Amino acid sequence: DAGVTQSPTHLIKTRGQQVTLRCSPISGHKSVSWYQQVLGQGPQFIFQYYEKEERGRGNFPDRFSARQFPNYSSELNVNALLLGDSALYLCASSPGTGAVHYGYTFGSGTRLTVV
Amino acid sequence: AQKITQTQPGMFVQEKEAVTLDCTYDTSDPSYGLFWYKQPSSGEMIFLIYQGSYDQQNATEGRYSLNFQKARKSANLVISASQLGDSAMYFCAMREPILTGGGNKLTFGTGTQLKVEL
Repeated sequence: DAGVTQSPTHLIKTRGQQVTLRCSPISGHKSVSWYQQVLGQGPQFIFQYYEKEERGRGNFPDRFSARQFPNYSSELNVNALLLGDSALYLCASSPGTGAVHYGYTFGSGTRLTVV
Repeated sequence: AQKITQTQPGMFVQEKEAVTLDCTYDTSDPSYGLFWYKQPSSGEMIFLIYQGSYDQQNATEGRYSLNFQKARKSANLVISASQLGDSAMYFCAMREPILTGGGNKLTFGTGTQLKVEL
């Protein structure tokens, strides 16, 4: 069975540009969460989507947005990129919203570099 | 205030020895979950072990065990018989409900870099 798939694996963008990151969850999982991990820190929660609805948003500016599609895959969009947006972006899937231990499964991430 | 505290930025252990990675947490919610993840240099977060706040016994998964002391709000990871492949960054995380939206999120500590030596 395929795990959580993220694309692209690496990306270089210029300040001010926009970027779209993609995530395909494990088959049967209905929830996708996005995390940002800046070098040397732990991941920080950005969004959770469940059944195509936003179920939570972390402390990130409105430049960050996301959506979930009918097949439960998800996109994370970041507009007007700043140097500080350079990070590893991780996607995690789970069967439900995670109220109990369903086992969040993470993808390998997308390394975004903003120059 | 930090909700997850990992006070050991780096740890060294000799192969075949046991090592304990520290984690303390802060929450007023009686229902919560605690996770440990391993992150090798490739970046993927690998789930190791889970402890629910109502679980009576400490969690174990193979060579991993979680020393859960609820009153002290600590959830230390114990790795027995360390292997060279255990060298990685280790993160402690707590599941929290999201008050608006009905979802849940993981709050991570800053991590501990473990190096296993021959």
